[in-house]
Amino acid sequence: DAGVIQSPRHEVTEMGQEVTLRCKPISGHDYLFWYRQTMMRGLELLIYFNNNVPIDDSGMPEDRFSAKMPNASFSTLKIQPSEPRDSAVYFCASSRDLAYEQYFGPGTRLTVT
Amino acid sequence: RKEVEQDPGPFNVPEGATVAFNCTYSNSASQSFFWYRQDCRKEPKLLMSVYSSGNEDGRFTAQLNRASQYISLLIRDSKLSDSATYLCVVKSYGGSQGNLIFGKGTKLSVKP
Repeated sequence: DAGVIQSPRHEVTEMGQEVTLRCKPISGHDYLFWYRQTMMRGLELLIYFNNNVPIDDSGMPEDRFSAKMPNASFSTLKIQPSEPRDSAVYFCASSRDLAYEQYFGPGTRLTVT
Repeated sequence: RKEVEQDPGPFNVPEGATVAFNCTYSNSASQSFFWYRQDCRKEPKLLMSVYSSGNEDGRFTAQLNRASQYISLLIRDSKLSDSATYLCVVKSYGGSQGNLIFGKGTKLSVKP
């Protein structure tokens, strides 16, 4: 079975540009999570969805960040405008339920210059 | 105080050595505990859950001390392939919570 799929795997963009990260969760998983990982702060939860509905977005750093989940098989994380401090690895994860294991995608390595 | 704290390491050990990692958490309401493993430039993957009575999976043993809010991971007979970063993870329930809180990880390097 395919795991969590993320695209692109690498993104290099200039400050001020819009960035869109994409995620396809594992089929049948009702929960989808977006994380950001940096050396300084480690792995942080940004937002998570249950059945396509955002449940907790308290980790979203500021209004420049937005996430959507239009259907059960697709989610986006958008940064507009991007800033150099947004450079990080962004992971998407999914799980059947909060009590079950979260499976992570390979991540998107974002560099904002 | 950070929610989950770990010694960042690195721990540099020879093959065959026994190595132990420790982790403390601040939220006494935390209910589930895990160790994840993350290889260099890869995604985190679940290594094992941590149960109240302690649990073992091959060369790996996890312990939980709720009174001290402390979790440990012991690796016996370490292999080169054990080289990775080990993330301590806690989960609390209630309200809109239920997400995982990750420690920053402890880096292990096993040398020949």
